[in-house]
Amino acid sequence: AQSVTQLGSHVSVSEGALVLLRCNYSSSVPPYLFWYVQYPNQGLQLLLKYTSAATLVKGINGFEAEFKKSETSFHLTKPSAHMSDAAEYFCAVESLAGGTSYGKLTFGQGTILTVHP
Amino acid sequence: SQTIHQWPATLVQPVGSPLSLECTVEGTSNPNLYWYRQAAGRGLQLLFYSVGIGQISSEVPQNLSASRPQDRQFILSSKKLLLSDSGFYLCAWRGWAHSYNEQFFGPGTRLTVL
Repeated sequence: AQSVTQLGSHVSVSEGALVLLRCNYSSSVPPYLFWYVQYPNQGLQLLLKYTSAATLVKGINGFEAEFKKSETSFHLTKPSAHMSDAAEYFCAVESLAGGTSYGKLTFGQGTILTVHP
Repeated sequence: SQTIHQWPATLVQPVGSPLSLECTVEGTSNPNLYWYRQAAGRGLQLLFYSVGIGQISSEVPQNLSASRPQDRQFILSSKKLLLSDSGFYLCAWRGWAHSYNEQFFGPGTRLTVL
């Protein structure tokens, strides 16, 4: 069974600083990987996804993530944080082990990003 | 374009009362549908998923059930709520016309059981 670990439940950065949110996964086969963002009392919005194409994936709002198979990681980065980036971020994995996954996602516990002026 | 609706947006229910949360999707056909629960500090947990009308798979044994009476309608129910059922419930869909492996989430229902 796959699992997702997000290191750090809370991350705080200054406006303009680098954002780095960490995600490690375990899966018996190369999975599909996703980053979602959630603003308070709202649903989740997809930031970016990795589906076995380019290992460096660019998403919306200036975010990007790099799939590193050797490290089983899919860390999310943004060069310069903006106040509007304050939200909770979830890493998720869809494992294709055993054939059809039916799109089932396993989510990490989430990381709350705070941006200070 | 596709849209997903959930209602109610918020709900406060006493312990032991029944529950019915509804999710509908517009603008797509034969989507996969999912119910997730988000409890405070615990991430998202997949509760049920459905690949077609009347087809429900449960991921976690619990006090809840799901039904899919129509292609684009997904209902989450309980006969008797427990305190532990409190949380933020999210419905999601995944289609096949484009972005075939992306799930789209609804706005959620905040359930408080007292």
